[in-house]
Amino acid sequence: ETGVTQSPTHLIKTRGQQVTLRCSSQSGHNTVSWYQQALGQGPQFIFQYYREEENGRGNFPPRFSGLQFPNYSSELNVNALELDDSALYLCASSPEPGAGTQYFGPGTRLLVL
Amino acid sequence: AQTVTQSQPEMSVQEAETVTLSCTYDTSENNYYLFWYKQPPSRQMILVIRQEAYKQQNATENRFSVNFQKAAKSFSLKISDSQLGDTAMYFCAFMKRNGNTGKLIFGQGTTLQVKP
Repeated sequence: ETGVTQSPTHLIKTRGQQVTLRCSSQSGHNTVSWYQQALGQGPQFIFQYYREEENGRGNFPPRFSGLQFPNYSSELNVNALELDDSALYLCASSPEPGAGTQYFGPGTRLLVL
Repeated sequence: AQTVTQSQPEMSVQEAETVTLSCTYDTSENNYYLFWYKQPPSRQMILVIRQEAYKQQNATENRFSVNFQKAAKSFSLKISDSQLGDTAMYFCAFMKRNGNTGKLIFGQGTTLQVKP
């Protein structure tokens, strides 16, 4: 069974640029959630995708957007990057939206200069 | 809105000893899940243990057990026979059960250091 994978592992961008982060969900999982984790803090929910549709969103501006593909892999896009967007971005997959346990990938560390 | 509070930013324990990490939460929901996740320096978030609120019996997973007090909204994690590999940041998390969105709400985390 393949676990959750994310790419890239690290990324450096400058303010105002756009970035795309990728996530492959665990086999058999149709739900992907994205979280932002600032240094030394707990993760904050960005949004969730279920069967290619957005299925809930946290308190993040519209410049944070996402996609889910038919194979249930997912992308997180962030436009007009700000310095405060520097964080670890975690992707988690689960069999169903409210099924309980979410399984996390290793994360992408984004640094905005 | 639900909140999760971990009041111990840092803790340390000697190898082979027992340590308890505290977590309290606030919710008006009656049906929910509680989790403890571990995040080592390698940063991958790993599930340690899960508790379903409707179950009165405390969950256990090998050396890890919880003390779930629903009325007090308390959910502590006990690690027995601590090992060096237990060194990590530990997060308590809440999820509303049967909600349309399975959103995890995390606490601020407790950094645990196991000393040889």
